Amino acid sequence: QQQVKQSPQSLIVQKGGISIINCAYENTAFDYFPWYQQFPGKGPALLIAIRPDVSEKKEGRFTISFNKSAKQFSLHIMDSQPGDSATYFCAASATRDMRFGAGTRLTVKP
Amino acid sequence: DAGVIQSPRHEVTEMGQEVTLRCKPISGHNSLFWYRQTMMRGLELLIYFNNNVPIDDSGMPEDRFSAKMPNASFSTLKIQPSEPRDSAVYFCASSSGPTSGTTTDTQYFGPGTRLTVL
Repeated sequence: QQQVKQSPQSLIVQKGGISIINCAYENTAFDYFPWYQQFPGKGPALLIAIRPDVSEKKEGRFTISFNKSAKQFSLHIMDSQPGDSATYFCAASATRDMRFGAGTRLTVKP
Repeated sequence: DAGVIQSPRHEVTEMGQEVTLRCKPISGHNSLFWYRQTMMRGLELLIYFNNNVPIDDSGMPEDRFSAKMPNASFSTLKIQPSEPRDSAVYFCASSSGPTSGTTTDTQYFGPGTRLTVL
């Protein structure tokens, strides 16, 4: 059973554009929502994370929007750059259970 | 800091053979996680340890898989016997924080071991 659904599978954005990746979860016990960035041949690296007591968190060009009632959260990448081209994973975690989305392959064209 | 170290980086073996993957967590981290990544199933948590003790192994697919953490600086994931469907990238991650013992602390991933079982 897929507990975290991520869309789209792939995304192509022009340099300078906004990249938006969406995730939805089912388990209301989840209380930690990180986003990971993975480059080919590398392990995932934490990009930004949010807890459900806030609706938005911004770090530089990266913003998480969180909608607790809808059980949805999204990653926005402003002013997307070719160096942002990678696979992005959302995740949701309860105390002893981390579930990942299927991933979104982002390509930022120069 | 060298980060999480995994070895080998690539492993090719034949069906039925024993495979041992190794991980050295970041010094001072007291939680360690093993993940498996495949195209079909994505990133799956297999097992995690806190203070060298297995906390949750519900993600371990079957008895052919076993994991140990004999000390704070070393862990192994063993597959015996291996099968072609075990082919995947296996990641080790470690974390430390005021709430260690949960999955909600920042996890630092190693580079992974790409396993191919023929």
